[in-house]
Amino acid sequence: AQSVTQLDSQVPVFEEAPVELRCNYSSSVSVYLFWYVQYPNQGLQLLLKYLSGSTLVKGINGFEAEFNKSQTSFHLRKPSVHISDTAEYFCAVRNAGGTSYGKLTFGQGTILTVHP
Amino acid sequence: DARVTQTPRHKVTEMGQEVTMRCQPILGHNTVFWYRQTMMQGLELLAYFRNRAPLDDSGMPKDRFSAEMPDATLATLKIQPSEPRDSAVYFCASGLVQAGITTMNTEAFFGQGTRLTVV
Repeated sequence: AQSVTQLDSQVPVFEEAPVELRCNYSSSVSVYLFWYVQYPNQGLQLLLKYLSGSTLVKGINGFEAEFNKSQTSFHLRKPSVHISDTAEYFCAVRNAGGTSYGKLTFGQGTILTVHP
Repeated sequence: DARVTQTPRHKVTEMGQEVTMRCQPILGHNTVFWYRQTMMQGLELLAYFRNRAPLDDSGMPKDRFSAEMPDATLATLKIQPSEPRDSAVYFCASGLVQAGITTMNTEAFFGQGTRLTVV
């Protein structure tokens, strides 16, 4: 079984401030990791992904995340946020092996609100 | 521009009626997911398929929900009979997944969702 925990349900920040959205996971097999963003009344869009290689991955819109295997974390960061970053962010893990490889599990989401 | 297509985008139906939601995955993808999104539960995995075979449908109420892939270009999610508590946004997603072969993997691409309201 696998699970994803997003530690903050809501994160309010001011424009141009840095932000970190936290994600921890548990899994009995190796996993791939993803961050998705959902704008109001829209589907999910991929921000970035970690499959292998460098543990620091960069995505779209200036976001980056670092995979920490020992802490089973994959926190999302942005050094300076914009009003347009206001959205809900989802961390997800996908089994890379095992009998249920490919199964994609999401966290509960973190609502990021950027204030002027 | 390849994308996952879901129809209908919106559906309002009366309690007890049958509802069918359709999804056209991206050509070449071998894995299809159905998720339900509600305010209370967030994103719940209902079922997922690989190479058209159901791998896990444990998240789906079996008495009223059914998911199928009649062919590689169509996935369906059916609710019969529908109930008000089924009101939610239903998302379909597809991806290419090969166990242990990182270079052959893609992320899951999501459709725009079907917003279902059961009154």
